[in-house]
Amino acid sequence: GAGVSQSPSNKVTEKGKDVELRCDPISGHTALYWYRQSLGQGLEFLIYFQGNSAPDKSGLPSDRFSAERTGGSVSTLTIQRTQQEDSAVYLCASSLTAHNQPQHFGDGTRLSIL
Amino acid sequence: DQQVKQNSPSLSVQEGRISILNCDYTNSMFDYFLWYKKYPAEGPTFLISISSIKDKNEDGRFTVFLNKSAKHLSLHIVPSQPGDSAVYFCAASGSYIPTFGRGTSLIVHP
Repeated sequence: GAGVSQSPSNKVTEKGKDVELRCDPISGHTALYWYRQSLGQGLEFLIYFQGNSAPDKSGLPSDRFSAERTGGSVSTLTIQRTQQEDSAVYLCASSLTAHNQPQHFGDGTRLSIL
Repeated sequence: DQQVKQNSPSLSVQEGRISILNCDYTNSMFDYFLWYKKYPAEGPTFLISISSIKDKNEDGRFTVFLNKSAKHLSLHIVPSQPGDSAVYFCAASGSYIPTFGRGTSLIVHP
């Protein structure tokens, strides 16, 4: 399909392990966002990429979280030394441009830390 | 401090009736507002948006109203259908990072 694709859809891992989440945005979309949704909460902004500009990392909760976007397309979100509070659904979204455009979301990665 | 608030966590409506979902915001710099719908185990799907230069936008059964002086927007669904049962998120943007509310779970009873 032509939508935003995220993998894996589910990830269960032990506390202390590193995890890598992947996002394939819609082709041609220059803006890419990562959010997380914890149980019963809204969407918490994590990081934003726009074209070749430096990413806005202001939402990352700690230095264990990092993300990159290679070639202006695929993005990976890495969580090092996972903690139980990292358990959440991680959502990726892309939009044609950054300003006043609706976002198209993937179905998310459900991350469970044991 | 929540800049976008959806004060009703849930709403129950009879099929065929109107559903009204509400959203309040505090930041006067927001100039673009969106509603998203989310089914379980899926990502949010864009529903409808409105710019701050308008006070109403309509798309089929869905209408969004914006009251800038009250910093309030609402989504009206008429008539409501069982397939509309989902969580609805309000979002507001003043730059490039939208701020989301916590969502309202709508249940439409047949």
